[in-house]
Order: sequence, then structure tokens, then C-alpha cells
Amino acid sequence: GAGVSQTPSNKVTEKGKYVELRCDPISGHTALYWYRQSLGQGPEFLIYFQGTGAADDSGLPNDRFFAVRPEGSVSTLKIQRTERGDSAVYLCASSRGDRRGFSNEQFFGPGTRLTVL
Amino acid sequence: QKEVEQNSGPLSVPEGAIASLNCTYSDRGSQSFFWYRQYSGKSPELIMFIYSNGDKEDGRFTAQLNKASQYVSLLIRDSQPSDSATYLCAVIGSGTYKYIFGTGTRLKVLA
Repeated sequence: GAGVSQTPSNKVTEKGKYVELRCDPISGHTALYWYRQSLGQGPEFLIYFQGTGAADDSGLPNDRFFAVRPEGSVSTLKIQRTERGDSAVYLCASSRGDRRGFSNEQFFGPGTRLTVL
Repeated sequence: QKEVEQNSGPLSVPEGAIASLNCTYSDRGSQSFFWYRQYSGKSPELIMFIYSNGDKEDGRFTAQLNKASQYVSLLIRDSQPSDSATYLCAVIGSGTYKYIFGTGTRLKVLA
């Protein structure tokens, strides 16, 4: 597909369980971002990848959250021991990443709505 | 103080009017500024980016940047009901690739 895809679109889990959220960026985009968005809030930065490496993971709220991008394309956000407060829409975005900032347009995926019961 | 601040609204304007959306940011070294539109239940989509002081126009949209005052605004001319959405301001801070988003301003264009 031409756009960023995310799976699953919805995930319902129980408190304490482990979840994985997947993001498939636009082909050729080297930069990949994960965000979390709660109702009535803007997207909250979690982590940024340039290629395979996490260039900035300062937004990950605690060590229950981890993300990987082993081959520089698909990324997986992993949440251990989920808590009710983790419930949100998790957004992924990708960009060319070849020039910082200027026209570094991010394209967002449709998001994964995570509900922790 | 939040890094990027927006009035949450709702901002209501009549159809055909100019909608003015404002955003202030705290990092004086910020270089790049973005406006996104987000419809309810959908993902953000980029409307405009700006990185130089002054105005930048694209169709009915004009972004305005004033780095000395640390604010960026978005004007929507000839507002249409289809413009009703939440408008998110995003800033890339100095020395980082991290986008910081405001909470968004909800715009309602009344037919």
C-alpha cells in the first residue's frame, strides 16, 4: 500500500498482559515515529527511529514500553504488564528523514486503539 | 508551562469567515513549525509547515510565524463546514528531531 499501515486497528487486553503493536511505514521512509494520543489531547511523542536505531526514546513513559525496528522498516511497539492508564490511540508516522525539519513531512497511520480493561 | 500551547476551543465561525488559530511555544531555538488537521476518529494530516518568519500562503490557508514572540498562527479564509476539525500545532525543538504537539484547537464552521 502507499500509506502507513498499523495493525491491529483495535486491541482490547486485560490489565497485566503483554501487547505488541505493529507499524509498516511508507516504503523508503527512513524516519519512523511512535506517538500516543488520549482523548482531547495532541499526540504525545514516544520514540523516533532513524533507520534501525532509536535516535530518541525520551518519550517512552517507563521501562514497560519498548520499541524495535530491526530491519529499518517495520516497527513494533511492545508494552509489558499493561495498565489501564495505557489505554489510548497509538499512532505511527513515517517521513523521508533525509532533511531535518524542513519539509520533513510526517505521514500518519490510522492508529491502533488500545483498551486495557 | 507547556512546551506548545493552544486554546482548546471550540472556536466557532460562520461559513465564509476567516478562522484564526494560534499557537505559542516555549523553546526559543525551535526551527520548524507545522499545522495538522485531525477529523474526529482520524489521524492527523499535514496542512502546512513554516520555518521562516513571516507569512506562508497555500490556497485558503496562511501560516504566520513570529519567532521573536514565539507564536505561530494559521488563518483559514472562506471557512467551510468541511473545515470543522481539530487543528494541531507541532514544533520541532532545537537540537532534536522530536515533534511536540499542542493539545489542538477544535474549530466549528457553522453553515
